[in-house]
Amino acid sequence: GQQVMQIPQYQHVQEGEDFTTYCNSSTTLSNIQWYKQRPGGHPVFLIQLVKSGEVKKQKRLTFQFGEAKKNSSLHITATQTTDVGTYFCAGFSGGYQKVTFGTGTKLQVIP
Amino acid sequence: NAGVTQTPKFQVLKTGQSMTLQCAQDMNHEYMSWYRQDPGMGLRLIHYSVGAGITDQGEVPNGYNVSRSTTEDFPLRLLSAAPSQTSVYFCASSRLGTGTYGYTFGSGTRLTVV
Repeated sequence: GQQVMQIPQYQHVQEGEDFTTYCNSSTTLSNIQWYKQRPGGHPVFLIQLVKSGEVKKQKRLTFQFGEAKKNSSLHITATQTTDVGTYFCAGFSGGYQKVTFGTGTKLQVIP
Repeated sequence: NAGVTQTPKFQVLKTGQSMTLQCAQDMNHEYMSWYRQDPGMGLRLIHYSVGAGITDQGEVPNGYNVSRSTTEDFPLRLLSAAPSQTSVYFCASSRLGTGTYGYTFGSGTRLTVV
């Protein structure tokens, strides 16, 4: 079945440093979504990428979808303490039953 | 709008007991789903529904039943609780169709089976 791996599993950064998490799928995806989950909270939708090579920005966050639509990344510039949480990708390969969430990257920001 | 409401927030069950986790949404979303979240394993799809009267299995359906009699409600039933079902359960909903429709998640139910 489809597998979606996310690396790293954990990342500690000093406030102001950049952060990147990578999502890799074993199969070609139709689209990918990114979510953020604060400690003790629930996942919150951030963005969806659909097109090959697509790049989208939300303030300090940059999302990329690979040319082969098998990988994606989330980059945060100049992290802040409010960025703390776990970031998940969700890969879709056709149909709502074909969604696989990555294992998540837990980000800790040291003030 | 309340969004997606899950009850209860916390529950402790004994092995073999049954219970129903409630999920309701007020956004008129066609799609609803249940996930379980375990440490190091991300979110795994249990069951999903694309409309009233329509349900289907996800990745880890064993031990769970669902029904969808209305657009708003999508309860998850644990038939005979086992310690392996100790987890955090999230209900999520979404519009269907082409477009940027992310999932809206409920606040979760933390279930412990002893």
